[in-house]
Amino acid sequence: GNSVTQMEGPVTLSEEAFLTINCTYTATGYPSLFWYVQYPGEGLQLLLKATKADDKGSNKGFEATYRKETTSFHLEKGSVQVSDSAVYFCARGFQKLVFGTGTRLLVSP
Amino acid sequence: NAGVTQTPKFQVLKTGQSMTLQCAQDMNHNSMYWYRQDPGMGLRLIYYSASEGTTDKGEVPNGYNVSRLNKREFSLRLESAAPSQTSVYFCASSEYRRDRAQETQYFGPGTRLLVL
Repeated sequence: GNSVTQMEGPVTLSEEAFLTINCTYTATGYPSLFWYVQYPGEGLQLLLKATKADDKGSNKGFEATYRKETTSFHLEKGSVQVSDSAVYFCARGFQKLVFGTGTRLLVSP
Repeated sequence: NAGVTQTPKFQVLKTGQSMTLQCAQDMNHNSMYWYRQDPGMGLRLIYYSASEGTTDKGEVPNGYNVSRLNKREFSLRLESAAPSQTSVYFCASSEYRRDRAQETQYFGPGTRLLVL
């Protein structure tokens, strides 16, 4: 079937640490892949996306590369900030998006 | 540009009551969506509307109805609320692109619904 699997959280890091949040997907064909971020009390905001294999999406220091061979789209950031504390969702598809369960990131000073 | 707006922000219902969640977008988008967010389950698509005048079921449509009132507005109705419908509901919209892979969904702030 079509699904998205994310690592369970919470992920707890100190400021300036390196971040990786794993995401793998199953799908027929080559769907678009997305990372959305949800800050407390708010809706989801698009963080980055990639639409074909080997594409790298990037925004605000976050990056993710569409890996067809491993069906993965891991989110990385070299140096996290307290303001990055949020829930991160990986998603796949066109129109009818399929979301992962979300990973909460907590960054302490 | 307000983007996607939703009303109300919070609602408490008793089992069996009905209510309509409202959603509007001012980005002239063709497609609109309703999702529910539950702990440990991410977001799941309830219904969507690819364009004005059309609606289709998503992953979890049972117990809900929708109306695409016009291009701007897409409402979600619970005819007889049940405790299992306690959730946070998000509306989203996207602009039509010939290359569907380029479409991006934009989300509203959500409606928190509690059914007792």
